[in-house]
Amino acid sequence: SQQGEEDPQALSIQEGENATMNCSYKTSINNLQWYRQNSGRGLVHLILIRSNEREKHSGRLRVTLDTSKKSSSLLITASRAADTASYFCATDLGGGSNYKLTFGKGTLLTVNP
Amino acid sequence: NAGVMQNPRHLVRRRGQEARLRCSPMKGHSHVYWYRQLPEEGLKFMVYLQKENIIDESGMPKERFSAEFPKEGPSILRIQQVVRGDSAAYFCASSPLDTDTQYFGPGTRLTVL
Repeated sequence: SQQGEEDPQALSIQEGENATMNCSYKTSINNLQWYRQNSGRGLVHLILIRSNEREKHSGRLRVTLDTSKKSSSLLITASRAADTASYFCATDLGGGSNYKLTFGKGTLLTVNP
Repeated sequence: NAGVMQNPRHLVRRRGQEARLRCSPMKGHSHVYWYRQLPEEGLKFMVYLQKENIIDESGMPKERFSAEFPKEGPSILRIQQVVRGDSAAYFCASSPLDTDTQYFGPGTRLTVL
């Protein structure tokens, strides 16, 4: 698998339910970021979690990071139809190349009204 | 504070023509990054620039592609003699420091006929 690979590829839920997306990566990182992309649009930054952090919250978003398992999860609580989008995790390569973000193919989240 | 701006948003070129994509970073950001997104794929890093300097172009194809970030004006990604395989969405991002969150523009969707 490639660096920054999301799972599942697609997720369909009902409004009000929680959505959990996972990301796995291969090499050591400095930071891991989650982005959202609406169809045909640019990326919106959601949250950044550093390698020395285990959990971070922002509104209805909760991100966890397990560096021992090289994995992260994004939880969206009380989902809304407007949350429908593709979600990407982006990892850096650590060391001196922390600016070089690697993205997976994303998880397509559909929230049905 | 305006976000990252890219223009044009859509660009159509015939094979063999040149494509010029422009990116104006957020105010106060001196680091610019270009990424390419092929259909159904995640973003791939192309190049990292600071004013008047190319810091890392390891993701750039060796031929036909070039990037610059002059002292004055926007960053330019230039693709010479475009081919159909260059059709993609090209995203620019900026950050105040290379260790910080990258903020993405809306992208330029290049279609090569």
